[in-house]
Amino acid sequence: EAGVAQSPRYKIIEKRQSVAFWCNPISGHATLYWYQQILGQGPKLLIQFQNNGVVDDSQLPKDRFSAERLKGVDSTLKIQPAKLEDSAVYLCASSSPRVGGGTQYFGPGTRLLVL
Amino acid sequence: AQSVAQPEDQVNVAEGNPLTVKCTYSVSGNPYLFWYVQYPNRGLQFLLKYITGDNLVKGSYGFEAEFNKSQTSFHLKKPSALVSDSALYFCAVRLIYNQGGKLIFGQGTELSVKP
Repeated sequence: EAGVAQSPRYKIIEKRQSVAFWCNPISGHATLYWYQQILGQGPKLLIQFQNNGVVDDSQLPKDRFSAERLKGVDSTLKIQPAKLEDSAVYLCASSSPRVGGGTQYFGPGTRLLVL
Repeated sequence: AQSVAQPEDQVNVAEGNPLTVKCTYSVSGNPYLFWYVQYPNRGLQFLLKYITGDNLVKGSYGFEAEFNKSQTSFHLKKPSALVSDSALYFCAVRLIYNQGGKLIFGQGTELSVKP
């Protein structure tokens, strides 16, 4: 079974530029999560989707971050404009209550460096 | 507030010796607890989880963890460490009462196993 796919793996941009990340969850997983992992810290949830609806976006900086999951499968996370403090690894995860009791499975992440 | 603490930033162990990576938590009600491992430039890999039942949980790669409700701890253990176990380990608690079950992570513990 294929795991969670993310692209790109690495991205370097200058501050005030925009950037987008893509995630394709494990097939059949209705729940999709985006986490931000700053160096030296544990991942922090940015947004959670259930199918194509938002369950939790309380930690998403909505003035610059946006995310969508239009068809309830893959998802994109966008930052516009980027700030230096957005440098982090962006992790996508997916889960299903029918598989592993809802355990979240993570993709390889996108490492973003904002200069 | 819900939180997870990993009191040691780094744990050093000699190959063949037992290892313990500590985790304590503070949540309302009964927690779902998880351990994930992160290798360099990789995403998080699921190791094991506690939901209910036996306090000793066995997981991947010979790891196990012991849930202690009175001490609110969920320490990760392995009887005999391997050099290949060297990685970053994260403890997490899953919130199940609201917000769809997001994971709250500790700050991580760097495990170094020397030959």
